[in-house]
Amino acid sequence: QVQLQESGPGLVKPSETLSLICSVSGDSLSVYYWNWIRQSPGKGLEWLGYVYQSGSTNYNPSFRSRLTISVDTSKNQFSLNLKSVTAADTAIYYCARGQTVRGLEYWGQGTLVTVSS
Amino acid sequence: EIVLTQSPGTLSLSPGDRAALSCRASQSVSSNLLAWYQQKPGQPPRLLFYGASSRARAAGIPDRFIGSGSGTDFTLTITGLEPEDFAVYYCQQYGSSPFTFGPGTRVDIK
Repeated sequence: QVQLQESGPGLVKPSETLSLICSVSGDSLSVYYWNWIRQSPGKGLEWLGYVYQSGSTNYNPSFRSRLTISVDTSKNQFSLNLKSVTAADTAIYYCARGQTVRGLEYWGQGTLVTVSS
Repeated sequence: EIVLTQSPGTLSLSPGDRAALSCRASQSVSSNLLAWYQQKPGQPPRLLFYGASSRARAAGIPDRFIGSGSGTDFTLTITGLEPEDFAVYYCQQYGSSPFTFGPGTRVDIK
């Protein structure tokens, strides 16, 4: 059974970098694409980007200048780094497994990140 | 970027009722790569079906959930609402980047 679990700080200061890890169990990172999505009351669900096992990425242009998504196949994890955060980046961050035809099949439970001094 | 509009914003219905939720795209969704998700409080979105059609129903999704549509107009129908169906429903297109979500339709108990 595929399971994803987000981890990382729940509080980040403005202007700093938000860093999260998604640990994947029950599956390898091959074949699929691995996504980050966030959800905030003001903006709903926003897709941030994805990474393939190869390391190739696809980012939402709205975040491209601040976002890095990378993969660590040895640990079966992928990560998100969002720099220069503001209060507007406060949200629940989800990781999810994607497939070209089947969309976002499996999601982590999400982790709340608050940007505040 | 494809903008998805969902209507209505809220549906107030009773158990046993039929719900019809609309999702309209600002341009044609490539290969009808549109998915529907259900979300309950404190939980992540749950995939209902992909490829716009209920022929591509995710595992464990009851057949009272029916998806239809193509191009720019898509519909999620729930025939005979069960108590566990009261939730927020989102559509999402993943045919072109950036992937985008609709704002959601809340189905609540009348």
